[in-house]
Amino acid sequence: GESVGLHLPTLSVQEGDNSIINCAYSNSASDYFIWYKQESGKGPQFIIDIRSNMDKRQGQRVTVLLNKTVKHLSLQIAATQPGDSAVYFCALPKNSGYSTLTFGKGTMLLVSP
Amino acid sequence: NAGVTQTPKFQVLKTGQSMTLQCAQDMNHEYMSWYRQDPGMGLRLIHYSVGAGITDQGEVPNGYNVSRSTTEDFPLRLLSAAPSQTSVYFCASRRQGLNTEAFFGQGTRLTVV
Repeated sequence: GESVGLHLPTLSVQEGDNSIINCAYSNSASDYFIWYKQESGKGPQFIIDIRSNMDKRQGQRVTVLLNKTVKHLSLQIAATQPGDSAVYFCALPKNSGYSTLTFGKGTMLLVSP
Repeated sequence: NAGVTQTPKFQVLKTGQSMTLQCAQDMNHEYMSWYRQDPGMGLRLIHYSVGAGITDQGEVPNGYNVSRSTTEDFPLRLLSAAPSQTSVYFCASRRQGLNTEAFFGQGTRLTVV
């Protein structure tokens, strides 16, 4: 089955720096990936997604990179702001029916002014 | 548009008590899921449903029951609460399809004493 892991439990950056959060997955057949942001006391919120036929997708200040060869994806946040402080999860469909998602354990991003 | 609504937001139970966590969505999503979130464990799937009348078990289903009598509602029942069920519970819904994001409720923080 799928497993999702993250390389670092906590990432501390200075305001204005670029942040990179990493995620590894085990199932080479996985073809859809999502990044979520969870602020303290709130539910996870969708940030950006990417399909396996792409290796890069950009949003507003965020970029997701997908490397299918090594089964790795990353979330890059440009010009990190204090409001970006949160826990970030990668997720992918859990079963062949795509009816549920499996989540990584999360990386806490701490942004200091 | 309310999205996914969970009630209550906080609950304290005594060991052995039963209760129902409510979840409702107004987006006409086919898929609904319940997750629990514990420190350092990420989000773990309890039960899920692909449509009214259809439910299935996730990774950690023991001690919980669900039903899906309507598209909108997906209640989670704790049959006999145990301290190990102290956690934050999130309900999520997704539109049916291969590449669709999940929308989460704000969570229910449950403490079993």
